[in-house]
Amino acid sequence: GQQVMQIPQYQHVQEGEDFTTYCNSSTTLSNIQWYKQRPGGHPVFLIQLVKSGEVKKQKRLTFQFGEAKKNSSLHITATQTTDVGTYFCAGRSMDSSYKLIFGSGTRLLVRP
Amino acid sequence: KAGVTQTPRYLIKTRGQQVTLSCSPISGHRSVSWYQQTPGQGLQFLFEYFSETQRNKGNFPGRFSGRQFSNSRSEMNVSTLELGDSALYLCASRLTGDRDEQFFGPGTRLTVL
Repeated sequence: GQQVMQIPQYQHVQEGEDFTTYCNSSTTLSNIQWYKQRPGGHPVFLIQLVKSGEVKKQKRLTFQFGEAKKNSSLHITATQTTDVGTYFCAGRSMDSSYKLIFGSGTRLLVRP
Repeated sequence: KAGVTQTPRYLIKTRGQQVTLSCSPISGHRSVSWYQQTPGQGLQFLFEYFSETQRNKGNFPGRFSGRQFSNSRSEMNVSTLELGDSALYLCASRLTGDRDEQFFGPGTRLTVL
């Protein structure tokens, strides 16, 4: 079945450093979504990417969707303590099941 | 608009019991999905309902079931609870169509003793 792998599992950075998390699907995706979950909270939608090679920016966050629509990345420039949380990618399959499968998440810790 | 609501927020049960969790989606959202979140397994997809029909099902045993009502509210039921069912159960609703954004509720924290 469809699998979505996400690395790294954890990342501990100094405030001001950059951070990147990578997402890889075993199958081609219809779209990929990114969510952020703060400690004790629930996942909150960040963005959706649909087109092959698409790049979107939200302030210090840059999201990319691979050319083959099987991989994606989230890059945060100059992290801040408010960036702390777990970042999940979620891939929507292209087959008839149209399932949304979440990656295992990358937990970001930021040292002030 | 009010967000997704889930009740109860916390629940403690013992092994062998059954439990029913409730989810009210955002007004106008007809799709409701359920996820199980545990520290070691991340977010695992349980099922998705749309217009009272189950559209998709994850890889969970038959003890996990759900349903959706005509007002889009959804319930999930877990029978014969096991210790491993302890988790945060999240419900998410979405508009169908091009915008695939999932709106999550606060979750129900289930503890099985």
